[in-house]
Amino acid sequence: QVTLKESGPALVKPTQTLTLTCTISGFSLSTHLMRMNWIRQPPGKALEWLARIDWDDEKFYTTSLKSRLTVSKDTSKNQVVLTMTNMDPMDTATYYCARIRGGADLYFDYWGQGILVTVSS
Amino acid sequence: EIVLTQSPGTLSLSPGERATLSCRASQSVANNFLAWYQQKSGQAPRLLIYGASSRATDIPDRFSGSGSGTDFNLTISRLEPEDFAVYYCQLYGSLGTFGQGTKVEMK
Repeated sequence: QVTLKESGPALVKPTQTLTLTCTISGFSLSTHLMRMNWIRQPPGKALEWLARIDWDDEKFYTTSLKSRLTVSKDTSKNQVVLTMTNMDPMDTATYYCARIRGGADLYFDYWGQGILVTVSS
Repeated sequence: EIVLTQSPGTLSLSPGERATLSCRASQSVANNFLAWYQQKSGQAPRLLIYGASSRATDIPDRFSGSGSGTDFNLTISRLEPEDFAVYYCQLYGSLGTFGQGTKVEMK
């Protein structure tokens, strides 16, 4: 059974760095063509893709936030980590991790439950 | 960068009715790399359709996807109470572009 679960702080202050962890089970991060993503959703708004890390450690970031994002993985711990620096109230959102399993078919087949992160002093 | 525009923003329908949701791309979508997701209130999105018209695992056949090029549709043939939700289209040939969503609400 495939599961993904996000964890991290519910509240961060402006200018702080956010670190989120996605813990997976039911598959391996090192499996060929396994790709893990971070997606966020501000309250009442649409989904926004943020970052991706592939089985071979290749990484991709959304252009608008590239300078603030870092994605990494620890295969032995079954975890994917997202860091976002210099947090702002506009970054308040539910953050999801989601899986892609495939070469060309890059749709998200499994999602975590999400974690609401509020940025406020 | 391709932009996806979904319409209408909100669809007010009754159970049993047919729902047709539109997703228009600003440029042609290669290989029909277009997916649809359903998001119920307080929940994570769930994959419904990929490749514009292929249903994901365990998705009821009242959900169907169609279209090619720049125009795509998601059709729910007969709305069930559990289908009232927000629906997003996603372009997955690039790095995860989503539309703005269509809310299907109960009339």
